[in-house]
Amino acid sequence: DVKVTQSSRYLVKRTGEKVFLECVQDMDHENMFWYRQDPGLGLRLIYFSYDVKMKEKGDIPEGYSVSREKKERFSLILESASTNQTSMYLCASSSHSTYGYTFGSGTRLTVV
Amino acid sequence: GENVEQHPSTLSVQEGDSAVIKCTYSDSASNYFPWYKQELGKGPQLIIDIRSNVGEKKDQRIAVTLNKTAKHFSLHITETQPEDSAVYFCAAGLYGGATNKLIFGTGTLLAVQP
Repeated sequence: DVKVTQSSRYLVKRTGEKVFLECVQDMDHENMFWYRQDPGLGLRLIYFSYDVKMKEKGDIPEGYSVSREKKERFSLILESASTNQTSMYLCASSSHSTYGYTFGSGTRLTVV
Repeated sequence: GENVEQHPSTLSVQEGDSAVIKCTYSDSASNYFPWYKQELGKGPQLIIDIRSNVGEKKDQRIAVTLNKTAKHFSLHITETQPEDSAVYFCAAGLYGGATNKLIFGTGTLLAVQP
């Protein structure tokens, strides 16, 4: 069964900590995405990558960075976590040919 | 910028009734319109999609319609069942581009009452 795996379901971090959210896909997809999901705001794109070592800013990149050193892995980094980054984070991947996204189960991050 | 509006934000129906969720997109270049279902504690899953070269697509109890002139598309669920209860997201994007980026609506919480 093809899948997108996010390393943690729940995380609690302190303000100012550096936080790493990891995402791995086993479908050989070219594209990978990080979204955050907040009530009433839907899914907002943080960053995406269409190839190894390539990255593009989404709609809300401030306070985040990403890394894609291997095709199957896309990491989201919160350089200095703040309480307004408390949210559900969703990773997704897609292929150039099939297009539809496959999502991970999400990481619920709480910054205290 | 590109925007997708989705209505209603919440929808409650009786089991067996139909449910309709509507979306409007702003980028006239968009040609791919998927719908995702998110159950509690899970990531969104693709349930149906439509491309701009067709006006309607159906898969059992689910159908999607597209009006490119008005930049509207809708999800129709007939004979609703309790297991249809979930959050539904519409999205719009440009199929065939290198990045396949999708813009999502804000979601509709559908509750099917037994």
